[in-house]
Amino acid sequence: GDSVTQMEGPVTLSEEAFLTINCTYTATGYPSLFWYVQYPGEGLQLLLKATKADDKGSNKGFEATYRKETTSFHLEKGSVQVSDSAVYFCALSDLNRDDKIIFGKGTRLHILP
Amino acid sequence: DTGVSQNPRHKITKRGQNVTFRCDPISEHNRLYWYRQTLGQGPEFLTYFQNEAQLEKSRLLSDRFSAERPKGSFSTLEIQRTEQGDSAMYLCASSLEAGNTEAFFGQGTRLTVV
Repeated sequence: GDSVTQMEGPVTLSEEAFLTINCTYTATGYPSLFWYVQYPGEGLQLLLKATKADDKGSNKGFEATYRKETTSFHLEKGSVQVSDSAVYFCALSDLNRDDKIIFGKGTRLHILP
Repeated sequence: DTGVSQNPRHKITKRGQNVTFRCDPISEHNRLYWYRQTLGQGPEFLTYFQNEAQLEKSRLLSDRFSAERPKGSFSTLEIQRTEQGDSAMYLCASSLEAGNTEAFFGQGTRLTVV
């Protein structure tokens, strides 16, 4: 079945460092891809999404590009802030099948001041 | 609209007891999802509804679990004869239409079975 694999955490960076969180997926169809974020004590929130190959999702300085050839959707940010400390989940949803959202295990990010 | 609301936020129950959780989705959303999240894991799909119709039920969901959405608005998730392995965060989400649209999540109900 469809699945998402993302890099294990925790990831610890200093403020203003460059961030990459790797995500790859397996799908038989043509899914939409998402990054969700869970801040401490809060619910899951959609961070960004891309619905087709080569689309770039972006929000709050984060970006991810839908790469069909490498089945990847890596999350990047050029300069992280302490407030970016959270758990990040890569996810997919395949409209052509059953469109339920399938999540990766999550990557915990710690940003040090 | 205040978003997706889940009640209770926390539930502690003794093994063998039944528990019921409620989810109130965003009012115009016709899709409603239930997920379970354990520590250090991503949310695992349990079941979802299109209006009042339950479209799919994960094989993770044993016969002790049942979900309803009787009028296509709020939903309930019941766990009968709870076991310690049922301890988890139960998440509800809703979306406006099928696929490729943002699912909005509630803050979850944390279940502890003692």
